[in-house]
Amino acid sequence: EVQLVQSGAEVKKPGESLKISCKGSGYSFTSYWIGWVRQMPGKGLEWMGIIYPGDSDTRYSPSFQGQVTISADKSISTAYLQWSSLKASDTAMYYCARPKDTAMAPFDYWGQGTLVTVSS
Amino acid sequence: DIQMTQSPSTLSASVGDRVTITCRASQSISSWLAWYQQKPGKAPKLLIYKASSLESGVPSRFSGSGSGTEFTLTISSLQPDDFATYYCQQYNRGTFGQGTKVEIK
Repeated sequence: EVQLVQSGAEVKKPGESLKISCKGSGYSFTSYWIGWVRQMPGKGLEWMGIIYPGDSDTRYSPSFQGQVTISADKSISTAYLQWSSLKASDTAMYYCARPKDTAMAPFDYWGQGTLVTVSS
Repeated sequence: DIQMTQSPSTLSASVGDRVTITCRASQSISSWLAWYQQKPGKAPKLLIYKASSLESGVPSRFSGSGSGTEFTLTISSLQPDDFATYYCQQYNRGTFGQGTKVEIK
């Protein structure tokens, strides 16, 4: 069974750094892309970027390029989303998700979400 | 950037109703269109991909149609479990629509 299990909720202050994780299991982690999707409180879904753990090829939405870093450690089947300096506007639920086959394919498996709260 | 616009934003319907949600792209996206269902506090669930292909395990009351710039998601007979928010996504660039909330009338 394919599973994506994300790290737990985080509460941070503005300016702090953060790295959240998404561990894949039940499939060949290096053979599928993993993407990240943001959902701000009460708002819609936003595609942030995607990584291919097999070779670390990474693509970002222009809206998120330079704002976050996506990475993966294939030795432990885990993808990451990180911020170097959080802002209050980063408060959101973040989902990892696996597309069907190629990088730009619909997401058929999703993690449970990680809630990030940034507040002074 | 390709913009995706859903209508309506909110839809009030009753169990058994036929429901249609529209998604328009600002330029042609061929059939690179997916539909998701999201319930409060849960991750989205893929319903339809390639505009009209039903994802495995999704009830056949859900159907999708369209190509180019105009797409529809139809629920043939609304069930209690279907009250949720629905999103379209043009997955060639990743962009999601703003969502349509289906409420109980």
